[in-house]
Parts: sequence; structure tokens; C-alpha cells
Amino acid sequence: GEDVEQSLFLSVREGDSSVINCTYTDSSSTYLYWYKQEPGAGLQLLTYIFSNMDMKQDQRLTVLLNKKDKHLSLRIADTQTGDSAIYFCAELAGGFKTIFGAGTRLFVKA
Amino acid sequence: IAGITQAPTSQILAAGRRMTLRCTQDMRHNAMYWYRQDLGLGLRLIHYSNTAGTTGKGEVPDGYSVSRANTDDFPLTLASAVPSQTSVYFCASSDSGTGGKNEQFFGPGTRLTVL
Repeated sequence: GEDVEQSLFLSVREGDSSVINCTYTDSSSTYLYWYKQEPGAGLQLLTYIFSNMDMKQDQRLTVLLNKKDKHLSLRIADTQTGDSAIYFCAELAGGFKTIFGAGTRLFVKA
Repeated sequence: IAGITQAPTSQILAAGRRMTLRCTQDMRHNAMYWYRQDLGLGLRLIHYSNTAGTTGKGEVPDGYSVSRANTDDFPLTLASAVPSQTSVYFCASSDSGTGGKNEQFFGPGTRLTVL
């Protein structure tokens, strides 16, 4: 079945770049997503990439997609303390069902 | 309001009791979802609904039921709560039209503790 895997924790210093990695199994996924969850809140879509793209840049965020290896990454440039949150990788599988990873908790040290 | 609301915010429940978690959206989205979030396991889909009048089972449906009488409301019922249902429950909705990016919008969550 479909599965999305990501590491559980990442710690960076303020001002450094953060890179969060994810692997997925469904090669037919049309969209891949990064959702952000701040403490005590629901998830919010941060960015997404369509499966025919290799890269998407949005201000401090860069998404890289390697379809051959089924690998997705999110790079946050100049990481700030406000970026501390849980980041979920997800794939759109089977038309409307979204499969989420376990989430990577990003700690930003001042 | 704009978005998706859930009630209650939190609840402590005795095992064996029946409980309904409420979810309402005002975005006229056709699809709605219930997830539970547990540490280290991420989000797991409990039940979903593609459109009013239809529902489907997700990854962890046992012990839960849902209904979708109209577009806006998607209540989740625990018929007889057990301690393993202690979790944070999130409702979400999306416009799941063909070819769209199917962005899901999440409610603020309900923290449920079953003793």
C-alpha cells in the first residue's frame, strides 16, 4: 500500500538552512505536499509540487522532487525561530486520498 | 466564519461512554475527513466522505462511525470509548475535483482522553 516516511526530528541553528527529507511509495501520485503544524493547531498547507516538476521555489522554501527515487525534500533558507513546527510530507494517492508521513519536528536554536 | 470548526476543544471521557465529535465547514467543500494524530504515528485516516450521503473507511475505522447528511457537517461518533482512542482528532475538508491539488483545510482539533 501507499506509505510516506520521514525522519522524526531535526535541529538547526537560527540563520542556517533546514532540509527535511521524505520518501514515498506511490509512483502514480500527482501531487506531493508539505504541511506545517504549529503547536496546538491543525495542519496548514505550506507548499506543494505537481509530479511533472522537479523543483519549486517559493521565497525561503525550495521543494525538490526526485521521481526516480520517490524522494521529496523541503529546504527552508535562513531558518527562523518562528519556523519551529512539525512538517508533514504527504502524497495524493488514488485521486483524493492524501497519505501523510509521521511528521518531522523542527527545532530552531537561537 | 470562514473555514472549519470542531467541537469540543477537549474532552475527558469515561471508558464505555458514547461520544460525538462535531465538525462543520463553510467552504462548500465536497470531501471531508477525520484523522487521529498520535505521537510518532502522524496522521491516520479514520473515515472520509467524498460527497454528502456517502462515506468510506480509512486506515483505522474500528470503533468509529460517521455520517454525512449534508455538505457542511461531518460528525464522528465513538459508540463505546476505549482508552486506546485517547488521541487528538482532526477534521479536514477539501475540494477534491478532478485534477485539482486537493488542498486539505484542517480544523483546530479535539483532544480526547478516555479513562
